[in-house]
Amino acid sequence: TQLLEQSPQFLSIQEGENLTVYCNSSSVFSSLQWYRQEPGEGPVLLVTVVTGGEVKKLKRLTFQFGDARKDSSLHITAAQPGDTGLYLCAGGSGNQFYFGTGTSLTVIP
Amino acid sequence: GAVVSQHPSRVICKSGTSVKIECRSLDFQATTMFWYRQFPKQSLMLMATSNEGSKATYEQGVEKDKFLINHASLTLSTLTVTSAHPEDSSFYICSASGGGSFGNTIYFGEGSWLTVV
Repeated sequence: TQLLEQSPQFLSIQEGENLTVYCNSSSVFSSLQWYRQEPGEGPVLLVTVVTGGEVKKLKRLTFQFGDARKDSSLHITAAQPGDTGLYLCAGGSGNQFYFGTGTSLTVIP
Repeated sequence: GAVVSQHPSRVICKSGTSVKIECRSLDFQATTMFWYRQFPKQSLMLMATSNEGSKATYEQGVEKDKFLINHASLTLSTLTVTSAHPEDSSFYICSASGGGSFGNTIYFGEGSWLTVV
């Protein structure tokens, strides 16, 4: 069961553009993680957010956890070809983790 | 940081045979491990939750007799695809919940490509 909906599902942009990926749910999560995955590899953790309204920055990436801890966003500034990959959000509640539907990002040089 | 290792990274097997994939937590003891299946450019689909010392909990639609999961120790879980068919060809990924100092974060293995011919 997919409890987390990501949008957009596919995104193709030019190098240097900005973008935002959304992760929405009707459920409340105690924590939320964002992962980036390249083809043929396992997902790599980017960030974990645990507090409603929390904002974390990782170089050109800005992550925000919604006040109600039901949604999150990932904003990338000045995208680069190296940002290309599948971005996954995952919400944790107790010992359960649920993944978002995924956003496939392609940054064109 | 925490490391989860999968083996083999790639495996080709003949239709009708069985293949085992191992998932090890290298830096911590994982009471819970997760097995996923993934198709190209799609998200991870949870197959089952593996708990050390007890039976795995399978997601709806996943055949437990076909995808055998064993979590015999706190650092090792195995997924055996029995009587494999070409439609079982996929990317299989495991993950482990660190707990303790690693908090509630999931760490992933490198994934295993299974091709059934």
